[in-house]
Amino acid sequence: SQQGEEDPQALSIQEGENATMNCSYKTSINNLQWYRQNSGRGLVHLILIRSNEREKHSGRLRVTLDTSKKSSSLLITASRAADTASYFCATDTYYNQGGKLIFGQGTELSVKP
Amino acid sequence: GAGVSQSPRYKVAKRGQDVALRCDPISGHVSLFWYQQALGQGPEFLTYFQNEAQLDKSGLPSDRFFAERPEGSVSTLKIQRTQQEDSAVYLCASSSGRTGRRGDSPLHFGNGTRLTVT
Repeated sequence: SQQGEEDPQALSIQEGENATMNCSYKTSINNLQWYRQNSGRGLVHLILIRSNEREKHSGRLRVTLDTSKKSSSLLITASRAADTASYFCATDTYYNQGGKLIFGQGTELSVKP
Repeated sequence: GAGVSQSPRYKVAKRGQDVALRCDPISGHVSLFWYQQALGQGPEFLTYFQNEAQLDKSGLPSDRFFAERPEGSVSTLKIQRTQQEDSAVYLCASSSGRTGRRGDSPLHFGNGTRLTVT
């Protein structure tokens, strides 16, 4: 079963625009991570935000976390065609002793040049 | 190696055949995970190893699925008597973290094995 739900399922924007993806989850977490997946490839880690953090930046990425609403958002600023990929949030849950990550369904981002 | 390596890249099996999927994690990584990803879906957890110990196999869908990591490095996921519903991409990931502290260690994924059962 999957912990997270992502919204929107698909997003199409023009190069230079900002892209915002949202993730909601169900149970208490230790941290939340965002991953990117290009077609036919494995997932690549983008950024991790701990449960006691509210916002984190990495280059053109900005992640926010609202534990009261059990939600997170990923903002990609000044998007590029190369950002076209699927983006997944993944949670490391509070009760998880094995360290496994539970992934959401993903948002498919298309950036048109 | 530089990253997680999985083989074969593609596998076509006839229904009822057994298959074995291999994962070479990043050297020195303690934790190893197997995930199953259906088309258009997020990865679903299958099983987790810390070194050679299989600490969590709660995601394995049936007793036809078996995973091992006998020397704490290379891992093999075996599927016996494959069924059409087993068709998916099987992803392997490794991490340097240990139980209890792994949460801050990201997963490094291989490119997966695409299994098609006909």
